[in-house]
This record gives sequence, C-alpha cells and structure tokens, in this order.
Amino acid sequence: EMQLVESGGGLVQPGRSLRLSCTASGFTFREYAMSWFRQSPEKGLEWVGFIRGEPYGATTEYAAPVKGRFIISRDDSKNVAYLHMNSLKMEDTAVYYCARDQSQHIPNPNWFDPWGQGTLVIVSS
Amino acid sequence: DIQMTQSPSSLSASVGDRVIITCRASQSINTFLNWYQQKPGKAPSLLIYRASSLQSGVPSRFIGSGSGTDFTLTISSLQPEDFATYYCQETFSTPLMYSFGQGTKVDFK
Repeated sequence: EMQLVESGGGLVQPGRSLRLSCTASGFTFREYAMSWFRQSPEKGLEWVGFIRGEPYGATTEYAAPVKGRFIISRDDSKNVAYLHMNSLKMEDTAVYYCARDQSQHIPNPNWFDPWGQGTLVIVSS
Repeated sequence: DIQMTQSPSSLSASVGDRVIITCRASQSINTFLNWYQQKPGKAPSLLIYRASSLQSGVPSRFIGSGSGTDFTLTISSLQPEDFATYYCQETFSTPLMYSFGQGTKVDFK
C-alpha cells in the first residue's frame, strides 16, 4: 500500500527556520516527482512546490509566495522528501501536505495521489 | 493568474440524491482539471483527473466532465460516506500555480 507520512511540524517564531519530512513507502520513490501543498482557513489549499524525480535531475519549482525562502530536497536512499522553510512568516501558518505526482507527466506534475496526513506549522511569536 | 471558482460553496442533500458541483476557470485550461474529496481532519483524496478520468478505486457514481473553462463533478447517487468537501484544481497555469477552488461542502439535509 502506498503511504506518505509527514513529520517535523510545530510552533516556530517568525524569521526562524523549520524542516518538514515526508517519508514514502509502497512505491519506487526515486521515479516520482513529489509535491508540497499547504492548507489554511484564510487561503484554502495552496501549492508550495515540487521536486522532480531522479531520472529528471531532481529539479525543483516553487510557488511565488515561498520562492527564495523554501527549498525542497529529496534523499532517494531513504525514500524521504524534505521541505526546508526559512524566514518564516505568520502567513506560512498552515497544515502542510506532501503528495506524489501520480501522472509522472513531464515536465510538470499533473495529478496528485496519495497525500500524506499533514503536519501543522504555526508561525507565531 | 488562473482563478478557480466553485459553486455552490455548500449544499445540503440526502442519501440517494444526485449532486452537481461546478468549477469555472478564469481562462481556458483545456482538460487540466482534477477533483479531490476531503473529509474533516484528513488529507485530500483524488477522485477525478484530467477532467473526466476516474481514479482507480473511486466509485463510478463520481463523474467528471467539461473542458475549457467549465467543469462539473456529478455524484449520481449520494452515499453516506460522500458527505465531505470537494475541491477542483487546475494544472495548466504558467507560471505554475496549481490553483484550487475554494471548495464545496456537501452536508446532510
């Protein structure tokens, strides 16, 4: 069974950093692009960014609100994707989800399944 | 930027009802449209991709249609487990946004 499990969320002060992890099982992780999304009552569901699979150079794309502050990486030996969040702002408060690109579409993902259960990040002083 | 607008924002229905949710894109997105179901405290779950393709394991009562700017998710006969919030998502935009609609909450009448 395919599964994604996020971890690393918590309370963090504005301007600080946090790293989220997404541990995958049940599929050949290295072959798939992995995306991060977030959800808050104020903004709803938002795409954060994705990292392409190893065959496509593990290159990354980011949404405008996080570009330059967030970095996505992956460790295919551990089946883990990471979301490194720097210079956090209060508006980054959300539940963060990772999701697999089921489509395997090139160059960009097209549809996403499965999703992890989410991890809550609260940015507050 | 592509804006996705769902209607209605919420609806009340009974088991066995036919439910129709619409999603409109602010510009043409071909058929690059996905539908997700989300239950309280859970992650979104893919129902329909590329506007009309049923995700494996999803019951056939979920039907997606449309192209261009106007899309529809139909639940042909609402079941108790279908009470949830439904979101549409575009995957066409450049620069990438993968914008979601604001959601349609289906609750019990």
